[in-house]
Amino acid sequence: DIQVTQSPSTLSASVGDRVTITCRASQNINSWLAWYQQKPGKAPKLLISKTSTLESGVPSRFSGSESGTDFTLTIGSLQPDDSATYYCHQYNSYSSYTFGQGTRLEIK
Amino acid sequence: EVQLVQSGGGLVLPGGSLRLSCTASGFTLPNDYMTWVRQTPGEGLEWVANIKPDGSEKFYVNSVKGRFSISRDNTKNSLYLQMNSLRAEDTAVYYCGGGGKLGALDIWGQGTKVIVSS
Repeated sequence: DIQVTQSPSTLSASVGDRVTITCRASQNINSWLAWYQQKPGKAPKLLISKTSTLESGVPSRFSGSESGTDFTLTIGSLQPDDSATYYCHQYNSYSSYTFGQGTRLEIK
Repeated sequence: EVQLVQSGGGLVLPGGSLRLSCTASGFTLPNDYMTWVRQTPGEGLEWVANIKPDGSEKFYVNSVKGRFSISRDNTKNSLYLQMNSLRAEDTAVYYCGGGGKLGALDIWGQGTKVIVSS
């Protein structure tokens, strides 16, 4: 099975900061990686699919990229509403999905 | 409003069974795989199972194989998770998800809590 290692586990940043969260896949996943935002007591919300496709309604300060098996979620200018936990999700094969461990983002 | 509406969670004894339901409201279940994901208290997300649009293929995380069964009834616009031989470690919030994004989950249910305890 494909493993996904997400880092950091927690992150504290200030409004206006540029923030990056990384996921490393254990093998090639053909860009089949998504990013979700989850707030307490709520279901996750899809932000980005296929590595870099921004979902409708998601602010443009969110972006995704890849370099080999390393994937990055970038928040260009942090806003107070971005306080949440973020997860990556590899879906290279319908036979097995994997989620990253999550990154809890705190606004200073 | 486009949403997935879940039902069926609750408290169950170890070794017991529960059936979770997930019904599409405001749209038709997409012609794509549908998924169950769970989240243990204070922990991250874990993929549980996938089912092909026509129900002919099903996949499970190793820890639930032989105990859980995913199914769908497209005529009722619904997805199901039959959970048998439940264990304490199955205690979690269970989410259904899908949406036609070739695997990315752009529509989620509201979540239903399953507690396995004596």
